[in-house]
Amino acid sequence: EVQLVQSGAEVKKPGESLKISCKGSGYSFTSYWIGWVRQMPGKGLEWMGIIYPGDSDTRYSPSFQGQVTISADKSISTAYLQWSSLKASDTAMYYCARRDGDYVLGRWGQGTLVTVSS
Amino acid sequence: SYELTQPPSVSVSPGQTARITCSGDALPKQYAYWYQQKPGQAPVLVIYKDSERPSGIPERFSGSSSGTTVTLTISGVQAEDEADYYCQSADSSGTYMVFGGGTKLTVL
Repeated sequence: EVQLVQSGAEVKKPGESLKISCKGSGYSFTSYWIGWVRQMPGKGLEWMGIIYPGDSDTRYSPSFQGQVTISADKSISTAYLQWSSLKASDTAMYYCARRDGDYVLGRWGQGTLVTVSS
Repeated sequence: SYELTQPPSVSVSPGQTARITCSGDALPKQYAYWYQQKPGQAPVLVIYKDSERPSGIPERFSGSSSGTTVTLTISGVQAEDEADYYCQSADSSGTYMVFGGGTKLTVL
């Protein structure tokens, strides 16, 4: 069974760094792009960027370029989303999702809630 | 930047047909996808490539495309269909993915 399992909820202070994870199982992790999607409280879905774990080719939405870093460790079938200095406005649910072909996000993780508050 | 436009809300009575539209300049060139999201849950794909239905999705969900607008149609709406629905596609170059703003479907 294809699964994407994300790391648990985080509570951080402004200025702190953070790296959240998304572990894939049940398929060839290096053969599918993994995307990240933000959902701020009460708001819609926003595409942040995507990575191909096979060669670490990464694309960012212009809105998130320079704000976050997407990476992957294919040896442990895990993709990451990280911040070097969190802001309160980074408070959101973050989902990873597998791109199943064309531009469809066919499988989703359960989400990681990130809360940034002083 | 490229945008997809959806109505914020649609309301229908049980058993009626709900239609949710999504407009974008690149839709004639790029497929659209539809996701259902219920409160507290991750999104679920309900339509891909404009009109294809994944296995396990009820037949009452269908999709269509005409020019710069795609439409998600839910026939015989049930109370369990109450959710937020998002369209998603890519820009004309295929470089970026984008979501519509979402439509809240209310079953009266």
